[in-house]
Amino acid sequence: EDQVTQSPEALRLQEGESSSLNCSYTVSGLRGLFWYRQDPGKGPEFLFTLYSAGEEKEKERLKATLTKKESFLHITAPKPEDSATYLCAVMPQAGTALIFGKGTTLSVSS
Amino acid sequence: EAGVAQSPRYKIIEKRQSVAFWCNPISGHATLYWYQQILGQGPKLLIQFQNNGVVDDSQLPKDRFSAERLKGVDSTLKIQPAKLEDSAVYLCASSRGQSYNEQFFGPGTRLTVL
Repeated sequence: EDQVTQSPEALRLQEGESSSLNCSYTVSGLRGLFWYRQDPGKGPEFLFTLYSAGEEKEKERLKATLTKKESFLHITAPKPEDSATYLCAVMPQAGTALIFGKGTTLSVSS
Repeated sequence: EAGVAQSPRYKIIEKRQSVAFWCNPISGHATLYWYQQILGQGPKLLIQFQNNGVVDDSQLPKDRFSAERLKGVDSTLKIQPAKLEDSAVYLCASSRGQSYNEQFFGPGTRLTVL
């Protein structure tokens, strides 16, 4: 059974305190791995797609990396506005639905 | 470019009542998805359309849920009759097509069943 596990469930950081979120997956195939940000009361907002092991992508203070079994979302010098739930999802085959993890809720205090 | 539109944003009903949600995807997006997100969980696919045809409805509780996308553009998801466990956020997403991987989500409809 395809499965996505995210850790930790919740993470509290001080402003400027860098950290990483983990997404491990067990899937029959991997067309792509996706990271989304979700703010309270809103739909998920697309951040990154990673397609193959070794790939990295960056956007502002966020960097996503991918290995054969897991992905990391690194947050460098976070700000309070980075507070949100970060969702990881995998697409086992092209055009199929995303399989989501439960998310990591990040809180950054000033 | 306008995003995915959904309505209503909130709905409160009694159990055994019926409810319908509407979604208008990004213009030109051929693939449309309905997801259910229960509090504290990630979204779970209910149904996927490619134009006006169903691609995947394996996780749709067909005894109470139905969905249609008659003209290959906007879509309606219906629940009849609703149960307490249907309380969730219903998210609509769209992508340019099955070969395009990025899915873009609407704001969702929060359903509370009392």
